[in-house]
Amino acid sequence: DTEVTQTPKHLVMGMTNKKSLKCEQHMGHRAMYWYKQKAKKPPELMFVYSYEKLSINESVPSRFSPECPNSSLLNLHLHALQPEDSALYLCASSQVNLVYTDTQYFGPGTRLTVL
Amino acid sequence: GQQVMQIPQYQHVQEGEDFTTYCNSSTTLSNIQWYKQRPGGHPVFLIQLVKSGEVKKQKRLTFQFGEAKKNSSLHITATQTTDVGTYFCAGLADRGSTLGRLYFGRGTQLTVWP
Repeated sequence: DTEVTQTPKHLVMGMTNKKSLKCEQHMGHRAMYWYKQKAKKPPELMFVYSYEKLSINESVPSRFSPECPNSSLLNLHLHALQPEDSALYLCASSQVNLVYTDTQYFGPGTRLTVL
Repeated sequence: GQQVMQIPQYQHVQEGEDFTTYCNSSTTLSNIQWYKQRPGGHPVFLIQLVKSGEVKKQKRLTFQFGEAKKNSSLHITATQTTDVGTYFCAGLADRGSTLGRLYFGRGTQLTVWP
């Protein structure tokens, strides 16, 4: 099973709203990632969690707040977003231990629109 | 900093023609991964190349990793309409520097005319 699930599939929110994106995997992967993807662009790394600890923050604005409650779950809390934050938000997971097997498996994404 | 360049950005082919996309990294990579993203979809893992000079095939798709582990290519023989999508290469940085950081190429958007 190489499935990463994400909810919701679509989200429309106002600039004053607070919402959360959720990601789940049951592959035993201990690294989880948030990416942001704009149309016709490659995914841009936002955050990396390794063993439930934040290991990489790509200078993401504080209106995005990640959380990793356990090894299977990853959340992204959103608050006071701007219209330019509208994008496809992708979650991915991978193994950590083996150098040559760090394949990242992506979830289907949450398509976010900020009004 | 680490960069992965990918060309061409767009490729339009007639069904049955071949297609190739190329990636080049500014530094040596631990490995390179290839993804396909259909319109409206998400990146789907195709293959990972690890060894210098490695060549792997998946039906009509041939993937190569350069001897210096800095470049890679994806070649599709006799394209079909089902091959439509954007193909991304993504290089995994040397593990001694940053954990699990994939450096994506900008992607090649393939259009196949029937």
